[in-house]
Amino acid sequence: AQSVSQHNHHVILSEAASLELGCNYSYGGTVNLFWYVQYPGQHLQLLLKYFSGDPLVKGIKGFEAEFIKSKFSFNLRKPSVQWSDTAEYFCAVIPPNTDKLIFGTGTRLQVFP
Amino acid sequence: EAGVAQSPRYKIIEKRQSVAFWCNPISGHATLYWYQQILGQGPKLLIQFQNNGVVDDSQLPKDRFSAERLKGVDSTLKIQPAKLEDSAVYLCASSTTRGGEAFFGQGTRLTVV
Repeated sequence: AQSVSQHNHHVILSEAASLELGCNYSYGGTVNLFWYVQYPGQHLQLLLKYFSGDPLVKGIKGFEAEFIKSKFSFNLRKPSVQWSDTAEYFCAVIPPNTDKLIFGTGTRLQVFP
Repeated sequence: EAGVAQSPRYKIIEKRQSVAFWCNPISGHATLYWYQQILGQGPKLLIQFQNNGVVDDSQLPKDRFSAERLKGVDSTLKIQPAKLEDSAVYLCASSTTRGGEAFFGQGTRLTVV
């Protein structure tokens, strides 16, 4: 079945460590790609999005993501995490010829001081 | 700009009872989504409206779930009768355009006992 996969279910890091969260999708054609974040007790918020153009996308709070079409991937990165980055991160895709926003299973990130 | 409003925030019901959730999207947003998020999983799309018309309800369990969007603005999601497996957070989101960034409400946490 076509889907969005996030392989890291739970990531634990120390402050200042680098972060990379994987996201792969299985849809061919042109897709819209998103990363959402859910901080404890808060609603889902958009971190960044990719529709077209430069495949390296910069988002809020120092996050960035790279779209690699040949690998069907849209990995999220941050060079140096902070304790305040502790949250759940969701990759989401709008497949071709639809406008359904499909989410991955999420990655729980814990950052320790 | 006011965000997506949802009520109630929490609801506990017994199995076989009915329950309704309400969502008020951001003003002017034509697209409205309802998602179900079970603990430890990513949000699962239940139904998508464009104005007051249904765009997709392929994952809505229609024997017990129903949704409507009155006059293309507010929306209600109903479960009747509820089952234990319906325990989840129900998220409402809205978007200005089909395929664009979605803005989420705080969600309604439903516990069925």
